[in-house]
Amino acid sequence: GAVVSQHPSRVICKSGTSVKIECRSLDFQATTMFWYRQFPKQSLMLMATSNEGSKATYEQGVEKDKFLINHASLTLSTLTVTSAHPEDSSFYICSADGTPDRPNEQFFGPGTRLTVL
Amino acid sequence: QQQVKQSPQSLIVQKGGISIINCAYENTAFDYFPWYQQFPGKGPALLIAIRPDVSEKKEGRFTISFNKSAKQFSLHIMDSQPGDSATYFCAASKAFGNEKLTFGTGTRLTIIP
Repeated sequence: GAVVSQHPSRVICKSGTSVKIECRSLDFQATTMFWYRQFPKQSLMLMATSNEGSKATYEQGVEKDKFLINHASLTLSTLTVTSAHPEDSSFYICSADGTPDRPNEQFFGPGTRLTVL
Repeated sequence: QQQVKQSPQSLIVQKGGISIINCAYENTAFDYFPWYQQFPGKGPALLIAIRPDVSEKKEGRFTISFNKSAKQFSLHIMDSQPGDSATYFCAASKAFGNEKLTFGTGTRLTIIP
């Protein structure tokens, strides 16, 4: 149980286009989802915290107009990278907050590799 | 005060040996300390976690040691196997509510035959 999926797993796009990444909790409801970015050989950097039905909370230095987050249901959060540029190329990972029997645990998705040409 | 410092950056251990990774934190409000394992191109997966009310937790070959006064915790992998070769991240958060995790910088572990 407690599976989180991401779609797509890989995406290549041209500079200036927008890309949407979906994060789904498959067998549980997630009030809170988190979006991370990970550059090669580096740690996970939290971008934003997404709560169902409300605006996301962005970490300092993350442009909220560039990284649009929508958490419209308890099982789906989306991250849209608007007007993507090569420097946005990264590994994007989402996680969902714990289930009632595992309240502190975050369940991570498999990640999405974004390459902007 | 939000940092979690992790060492070493990389570690090579012989098969069957003990792998030890250390982390230190500053924020005394942290109350939950998980370790994650990440393989290349995959998302991190929870390995083991500890709360500060205990000094040690063991699950199979994996043990967390926790020193609250020193604000340090470590991961020990006993009988290390080639399949354990991965990047390991420590993390910390406040335990209650949907609190964000603060991650360490990661340790790339390589187990050699």
